[in-house]
Amino acid sequence: DIAMTQSPDSLAVSLGERATINCKSSQSVLFRSNDKNYLAWYQQKSGQPPKLLIYWASTRESGVPGRFSGSGSGTDFSLTISSLQAEDVAIYYCQQYYSSPWTFGQGTKVEI
Amino acid sequence: EVQLVESGGDLVQPGRSLRLSCATSGFTFTRYAMHWVRQAPGKGLEWVSSVDWNSGYMGYADSVKGRFSISRDNAKNSLYLQMNSLRPEDTALYYCAGGRNQQLYFFNIWGRGTLVNVSS
Repeated sequence: DIAMTQSPDSLAVSLGERATINCKSSQSVLFRSNDKNYLAWYQQKSGQPPKLLIYWASTRESGVPGRFSGSGSGTDFSLTISSLQAEDVAIYYCQQYYSSPWTFGQGTKVEI
Repeated sequence: EVQLVESGGDLVQPGRSLRLSCATSGFTFTRYAMHWVRQAPGKGLEWVSSVDWNSGYMGYADSVKGRFSISRDNAKNSLYLQMNSLRPEDTALYYCAGGRNQQLYFFNIWGRGTLVNVSS
């Protein structure tokens, strides 16, 4: 199984500041034949189901604010919130879908 | 409005069975692969099982393989999870999720979950 490790486990960011979450996979999730990274990011607010933010490592899901962006390739990825808003307080998870079983990172808690 | 509503969660003794259901509306069900993802209390997310749009493919996590069975009824726009030989470590909130454009990889839409508690 591909293990996903996120860092940090939690971070506190001031309103309007940048927040960056890292995700590292135990093996590459880049599929060479189509040059796509099989990685997604989710946001889970307290008491709510997860919400898809990013897929293919950098494609924003419809309706997701532009302050959320994904980057990286191979084994190292990042989710960046360019200007943190109060409504962004949540736990964020990365997920690989390169090979089954699909696996998630342990989550990163973002606070103000 | 897209809706996925899970039901069937309950307190059940180890070794017993349970069947979860997910009733959907507001989208074309056959355009979505469907999934179950669970979350143990206070823990992270764990993929459980997936089925493609016409039930030609079904996949399971090793932790549930041979015990759980996923199915869907496209005429009823519904997804199911038959859970047998339940164990305490199966205790979790079970989410129904859908992958748009029949893709099996990631989860575009989610329900609010149904709670399964396996305890004697």
